[in-house]
Amino acid sequence: KAGVTQTPRYLIKTRGQQVTLSCSPISGHRSVSWYQQTPGQGLQFLFEYFSETQRNKGNFPGRFSGRQFSNSRSEMNVSTLELGDSALYLCASSSGTANSGNTIYFGEGSWLTVV
Amino acid sequence: AQSVTQLDSHVSVSEGTPVLLRCNYSSSYSPSLFWYVQHPNKGLQLLLKYTSAATLVKGINGFEAEFKKSETSFHLTKPSAHMSDAAEYFCVVSDSILQGGKLIFGQGTELSVKP
Repeated sequence: KAGVTQTPRYLIKTRGQQVTLSCSPISGHRSVSWYQQTPGQGLQFLFEYFSETQRNKGNFPGRFSGRQFSNSRSEMNVSTLELGDSALYLCASSSGTANSGNTIYFGEGSWLTVV
Repeated sequence: AQSVTQLDSHVSVSEGTPVLLRCNYSSSYSPSLFWYVQHPNKGLQLLLKYTSAATLVKGINGFEAEFKKSETSFHLTKPSAHMSDAAEYFCVVSDSILQGGKLIFGQGTELSVKP
């Protein structure tokens, strides 16, 4: 069974540009979450989608957005990139919620560098 | 609100000696708790999870953790460290039922294993 797949793995963008990251969850999983990991702030929750609906959102500016498709694949978009957006972006998938005992599986992440 | 505190940012042990990574949590109700490991340039791998069943939880690679409600702790242990255990470890709590799949991460503990 394939794991969580994230593309691209590495990318470099210029300030002011926008970026789209993609995530394919484990087959059968309908929940997809996104996290940002930086050395200073650690791992922070961005948002979660379940059956194409955003179910939760973290404390990030509106430049960060996402969506989920009918096949559960998800994309996140960051517009007007800032240097501080340089981070590892992790996608996670699950068949349900963590507090219901479901395991959340993570992909290997997309490394974004903003110059 | 939920929170997690990892009491040590860095732990160093010798190969073959016990490992103890400390984690305290704050929760207004019965939480789900997890330990994840992250090897360099890799995603997060689930070591073990507690979801209100047995308080002593066994995970992969010989790790285990004990949920102690009276101490609000969920420390991770391993009887004998191996060189391959060197990585960063995250203690994680799931948010409230209302928040679905949102995970709250501790700041991480870097484990070094000396030969």
